[in-house]
Amino acid sequence: AQSVTQPDIHITVSEGASLELRCNYSYGATPYLFWYVQSPGQGLQLLLKYFSGDTLVQGIKGFEAEFKRSQSSFNLRKPSVHWSDAAEYFCAVGALPSGGYQKVTFGTGTKLQVIP
Amino acid sequence: EAGVTQFPSHSVIEKGQTVTLRCDPISGHDNLYWYRRVMGKEIKFLLHFVKESKQDESGMPNNRFLAERTGGTYSTLKVQPAELEDSGVYFCASSQPLFGNTIYFGEGSWLTVV
Repeated sequence: AQSVTQPDIHITVSEGASLELRCNYSYGATPYLFWYVQSPGQGLQLLLKYFSGDTLVQGIKGFEAEFKRSQSSFNLRKPSVHWSDAAEYFCAVGALPSGGYQKVTFGTGTKLQVIP
Repeated sequence: EAGVTQFPSHSVIEKGQTVTLRCDPISGHDNLYWYRRVMGKEIKFLLHFVKESKQDESGMPNNRFLAERTGGTYSTLKVQPAELEDSGVYFCASSQPLFGNTIYFGEGSWLTVV
């Protein structure tokens, strides 16, 4: 069974500073990896996804993530954080589709606080 | 194109009452999923439909929860009777049965049991 670890429960960064959120996964085959964001009172929004190909994935809102198979990691990065990025971020892994079905497992989330 | 829509967005009910959550997936998406996040914990899988059939309901916590998807379109998740620990946000999601499909989530139904 797949699993996801987000070691940082809470991160605080200054506006304009760079950001890196860590994610490690466990899965026996090629993973399908996602980052979702949940702003306060909002639903889950997909930031980016990795299925295959280029290991550096670009997403919305200036985010990117790099898949490193050797480290079983899929860390999320942003070069300059804006106050509106304050939210909770979830890394997720999906099992290989079988008959069009994939089961997504989420990490526990990292809450990002942005200070002026 | 409309996204995944959920109703109600917020619900406050008393312990012992019944609540029914509704989800309308993206048109053409055969896969429909229910997830929930309780008490600030991780987002957990509840169950998955392929069209009207339950493909996997291994995440359903107990028999107080009943999910249906009649006709393979919208789905309902009923909690009867509701308990305090059922409070949280219930997410519905849908996807197409294609290789490398992305799961799109709704904004969630926030349930508070008092």
